[in-house]
Amino acid sequence: DAGVTQTPRHEVAEKGQTIILKCEPVSGHNDLFWYRQTKIQGLELLSYFRSKSLMEDGGAFKDRFKAEMLNSSFSTLKIQPTEPKDSAVYLCASSPGTGMEVFFGKGTRLTVV
Amino acid sequence: GDSVTQTEGLVTLTEGLPVMLNCTYQSTYSPFLFWYVQHLNEAPKLLLKSFTDNKRPEHQGFHATLHKSSSSFHLQKSSAQLSDSALYYCALSDGTGGYKVVFGSGTRLLVSP
Repeated sequence: DAGVTQTPRHEVAEKGQTIILKCEPVSGHNDLFWYRQTKIQGLELLSYFRSKSLMEDGGAFKDRFKAEMLNSSFSTLKIQPTEPKDSAVYLCASSPGTGMEVFFGKGTRLTVV
Repeated sequence: GDSVTQTEGLVTLTEGLPVMLNCTYQSTYSPFLFWYVQHLNEAPKLLLKSFTDNKRPEHQGFHATLHKSSSSFHLQKSSAQLSDSALYYCALSDGTGGYKVVFGSGTRLLVSP
């Protein structure tokens, strides 16, 4: 079975650029999450979809971060404009539903210079 | 809102000694609790999940007990192995309060010979 697929694995952007990260969840999963991972903050929730509907957009991340789920098998995370403080690993994850295991992709390492 | 607290950022110990990683949580409802483990250059993956019937989950020698009275789900192992060195995240999923999965800041475990 295919797991969660994220592309690209690495991204380097200049400050002010727009970048789009992509994610394909596990087929049949209802829940999709976007997290930002840093050494200091750990895993921070950016967005959460249930059956393609946006349930949470991450509060503090709303202004420059926008996640979309165009269909049940594809999601994007747009960061516009990027800032150096956005440098981190961005993880996409999916789950069959509440209380069930979350499966993570390998992540996209973003570096903003 | 829901939150998970892991008080130790780094735990270092010698192979063979017992492991205990702390996790406390806040939730309005009765959530599921999880431990995820992330080895170097890998995605986080599920280690343990709490049971609704209060059984103690165990996996790879690790176990955790959900104590609702103290809102805790500490991770324990009787004897650490070198291969246990990794980043450990405690997480909760609240099925009635919003469905999202919230992670703690993570605890890095380093086991030395």
